[in-house]
Amino acid sequence: DVKVTQSSRYLVKRTGEKVFLECVQDMDHENMFWYRQDPGLGLRLIYFSYDVKMKEKGDIPEGYSVSREKKERFSLILESASTNQTSMYLCASRSGGFTGELFFGEGSRLTVL
Amino acid sequence: AQTVTQSQPEMSVQEAETVTLSCTYDTSESDYYLFWYKQPPSRQMILVIRQEAYKQQNATENRFSVNFQKAAKSFSLKISDSQLGDAAMYFCAYRSARNAGNMLTFGGGTRLMVKP
Repeated sequence: DVKVTQSSRYLVKRTGEKVFLECVQDMDHENMFWYRQDPGLGLRLIYFSYDVKMKEKGDIPEGYSVSREKKERFSLILESASTNQTSMYLCASRSGGFTGELFFGEGSRLTVL
Repeated sequence: AQTVTQSQPEMSVQEAETVTLSCTYDTSESDYYLFWYKQPPSRQMILVIRQEAYKQQNATENRFSVNFQKAAKSFSLKISDSQLGDAAMYFCAYRSARNAGNMLTFGGGTRLMVKP
């Protein structure tokens, strides 16, 4: 079974804290993605990576950064968490090519107080 | 930029009956892919069905089928013989075929409730 694993299902942080969200996939996929899910807004892309050490901004990159040092791991970093970053964060991966299916992790629900 | 709109925030259906979820999208491209994803409560999002824009035939996966109207830019999902396990958030998504690395653009989602 293919697997995308997110390190934390639930996190509670304080404003100004640095937050790391980790994602690991075991499918040797080239592409990895971080989405933010908010009610009524669907999923919005924060960042994606198509190779190790490569990253591209998505639709809402402000306040976030990412790291991809190894092919299987893609980390989302909130340098200084703010209350408007309270959300569900979804990691996904996909093989290369036009028809590759997107595989999602279970999500990390972050609350910033 | 492409946009995807799901006009129904919530839908409900009686078990064993049929329900249709709506999705419209806006694009200037002619070649693209459309998807429906299902997100059960507290579980991972999974792919339900996929449609290539160059194919005229509507995609079908068991009880799930789509009505793809390219000219109208409409892509609805029909669920037949609804089951309790179909209760979930459903997201419509679009991806350009121009670039293999292109990301998906998602709609706002429709919450489907199934009544026993």
